[in-house]
Amino acid sequence: DAGVIQSPRHEVTEMGQEVTLRCKPISGHNSLFWYRQTMMRGLELLIYFNNNVPIDDSGMPEDRFSAKMPNASFSTLKIQPSEPRDSAVYFCASSLQGLSSYEQYFGPGTRLTVT
Amino acid sequence: DQQVKQNSPSLSVQEGRISILNCDYTNSMFDYFLWYKKYPAEGPTFLISISSIKDKNEDGRFTVFLNKSAKHLSLHIVPSQPGDSAVYFCAASGISGSRLTFGEGTQLTVNP
Repeated sequence: DAGVIQSPRHEVTEMGQEVTLRCKPISGHNSLFWYRQTMMRGLELLIYFNNNVPIDDSGMPEDRFSAKMPNASFSTLKIQPSEPRDSAVYFCASSLQGLSSYEQYFGPGTRLTVT
Repeated sequence: DQQVKQNSPSLSVQEGRISILNCDYTNSMFDYFLWYKKYPAEGPTFLISISSIKDKNEDGRFTVFLNKSAKHLSLHIVPSQPGDSAVYFCAASGISGSRLTFGEGTQLTVNP
């Protein structure tokens, strides 16, 4: 039973480069979330999708960040151009909305380092 | 504006004793609360939850208590085991049910 899959697990890049993080949610889940974890800000929601449609992107830091969900089984988070302050662990989570519980299931995360 | 706060960044307890992790919230619209556990290099995993219509929920060694008037919830682990050592996050959700707001986390260390 596969959980949420994220790739790559680690990414090291130079400032100014484009970075693309990938996520495959749990099959059958209809909501997908992108989070960022840093020491300063903790775990913060960047954007979430419901039925492949972006619902709330108020957490996206700036225009350098963009997210897409072209289908129910795949999402990307892109940073272009990347900056050292983007260094963090990025988590993807999915859930099945519509039930009485609001549990989200997290992937293992992508540790991004921008030098 | 931190709507969910975990004021203790760390907690250390002896194996077999009770661990109590605390969480406070400010938004009265929150009506569902969850606890997640996170090991290093892994994503958070769901532990236990509670709806605002209840004041207690148990699952094995884990019990969550909710005090709505005080806007406070706590997670009790009895008895604590070394494998419980992890970062614990509390999270809250409003009536929309989709967006979770997380606290800063508490690092629990259970000493053998």
